[in-house]
Amino acid sequence: DSGVTQTPKHLITATGQRVTLRCSPRSGDLSVYWYQQSLDQGLQFLIQYYNGEERAKGNILERFSAQQFPDLHSELNLSSLELGDSALYFCASSHPESDRAGNTIYFGEGSWLTVV
Amino acid sequence: EDQVTQSPEALRLQEGESSSLNCSYTVSGLRGLFWYRQDPGKGPEFLFTLYSAGEEKEKERLKATLTKKESFLHITAPKPEDSATYLCAVQYFNSGGGADGLTFGKGTHLIIQP
Repeated sequence: DSGVTQTPKHLITATGQRVTLRCSPRSGDLSVYWYQQSLDQGLQFLIQYYNGEERAKGNILERFSAQQFPDLHSELNLSSLELGDSALYFCASSHPESDRAGNTIYFGEGSWLTVV
Repeated sequence: EDQVTQSPEALRLQEGESSSLNCSYTVSGLRGLFWYRQDPGKGPEFLFTLYSAGEEKEKERLKATLTKKESFLHITAPKPEDSATYLCAVQYFNSGGGADGLTFGKGTHLIIQP
């Protein structure tokens, strides 16, 4: 158990809908990362938050957005869903990145999203 | 151009047969190189982080090494429970002085046959 908690574990929804994925980082971790994993693309970095602020952006679509709340949990919002958005979405967390020894990034078990 | 390339894509070994997995990366601005293990339908499990050429880390039957342009994950006398996909990822410094998110390779699917 990595200590990173993601909900829901599985989600099936229709095209055009909107869903929210939730992540609780490990205790003490300030950074939260979101990744998408599909069969053909592998693990793709979407976005990173650090202590409530957006820190880095990857290949995140405009239909997707995220935020990190004062209690450090994070949510990934996916809207106008398409069939191609079906994937495993991972959240990961790490300690303050200025601490090299703490820069280990731990992943949750993921949220399976199926768009039908 | 891929920043991280892993080889081979798949590897089948007999139990006890040692081998190495390769990860080559774009050198400029590297902050750290990470190895993860991923079982089907599960989240990546952290194994190692390497920061500078010449660095080595070990954990049970696994040993990770880093050179200036590639990393190796050596598996010694593997067991069937070592079967998994092994992912290499790199993290670069960004223009703001911080670090980007991890960029992953496509992984090596390792099967250890009893």
